Amino acid sequence: SQQGEEDPQALSIQEGENATMNCSYKTSINNLQWYRQNSGRGLVHLILIRSNEREKHSGRLRVTLDTSKKSSSLLITASRAADTASYFCATVIQGAQKLVFGQGTRLTINP
Amino acid sequence: KAGVTQTPRYLIKTRGQQVTLSCSPISGHRSVSWYQQTPGQGLQFLFEYFSETQRNKGNFPGRFSGRQFSNSRSEMNVSTLELGDSALYLCASSLIGSGAGELFFGEGSRLTVL
Repeated sequence: SQQGEEDPQALSIQEGENATMNCSYKTSINNLQWYRQNSGRGLVHLILIRSNEREKHSGRLRVTLDTSKKSSSLLITASRAADTASYFCATVIQGAQKLVFGQGTRLTINP
Repeated sequence: KAGVTQTPRYLIKTRGQQVTLSCSPISGHRSVSWYQQTPGQGLQFLFEYFSETQRNKGNFPGRFSGRQFSNSRSEMNVSTLELGDSALYLCASSLIGSGAGELFFGEGSRLTVL
């Protein structure tokens, strides 16, 4: 079973708008990571946030982590057509040394 | 620095056959993890190797096996292929191990079982 669940499963917005994706997980974690995948290709790491951090930024990306709610969100500001991809959250469960991925959010940016 | 290289990129096999997939990690990375990606199950962790030792294993049958060589290159093998083994197999390398930091993924090997 998946540790993380992304919401929504699919999101379609206009270019220039902001996109927000959410991830919920079940057990305590060491860190949470977000990855992007373009159409059946390899995944690309976007950002890592540790369990003692609440927010991180990287360019147009903003990630928040709420360990009390066991949830994280990924915000992409000023979206571009090139942002069209699937986005996955992945968690490292405390006591385990493996990265477990959610089912992903399919993001489509319309020109 | 060269990225993670997976070979072959595409392959077609028939039920009952076996397949070997190869992964060359980024130079200096000692950890290699393997994932299976299917539309129905998503990304499922297969196993991780670190310095030639299997450090973690997912919930897959014994038909799925792997190994890592002294140069950190890794192979995974699937024996007695089933239709359900059709998937994108992704390899990822990291400097100190899955879970401690980011993973660098290859482009994957797409296996079709007929």
